[in-house]
Amino acid sequence: NAGVTQTPKFQVLKTGQSMTLQCAQDMNHNSMYWYRQDPGMGLRLIYYSASEGTTDKGEVPNGYNVSRLNKREFSLRLESAAPSQTSVYFCASSDRDTQYFGPGTRLTVL
Amino acid sequence: GNSVTQMEGPVTLSEEAFLTINCTYTATGYPSLFWYVQYPGEGLQLLLKATKADDKGSNKGFEATYRKETTSFHLEKGSVQVSDSAVYFCALGSGSARQLTFGSGTQLTVLP
Repeated sequence: NAGVTQTPKFQVLKTGQSMTLQCAQDMNHNSMYWYRQDPGMGLRLIYYSASEGTTDKGEVPNGYNVSRLNKREFSLRLESAAPSQTSVYFCASSDRDTQYFGPGTRLTVL
Repeated sequence: GNSVTQMEGPVTLSEEAFLTINCTYTATGYPSLFWYVQYPGEGLQLLLKATKADDKGSNKGFEATYRKETTSFHLEKGSVQVSDSAVYFCALGSGSARQLTFGSGTQLTVLP
């Protein structure tokens, strides 16, 4: 099992550009999550999906959209990137009580 | 709302020293509590968890006890190794999808 995979690993964007971060899990988990990690702030929840077909906002959803494409895949889209979105993005999936994290995407917005 | 307060770092210890990283939380209901570890350049890995009051989570020599009366979940290890150098995050899980609320993380460096 690959667990949780994320693509790309690194990305540099210019302000105003758009992009989609991809996430997939092969553990048959119902719930999936997107977090961002900034220095000194821990991880903050952007969006989550409790089950296929549902999505909900987390703590910091502004500037992002998500799609739960199917049970395996949960993508995060930046429609018009801003320098404040420079961060490391982690996807996670969970069984009843434990979240499993992907390796992260390091995004820089110039 | 929910919140997690973690001991600020960085923490530097010598090998075989005793480790404590403090974690307290504020939450409604009955959250689960977690410690995650992040090695340089990697994602987070679950270190241990406790799902109800008085439970003790343990793994790889690390322990933490869910104390409802003091709303705490302090991480301890009796003898740290150089390989324990990493960032440690305390987190609580709640809500219909068990969303996690994280502390700010504590950087641990263990010197030989």
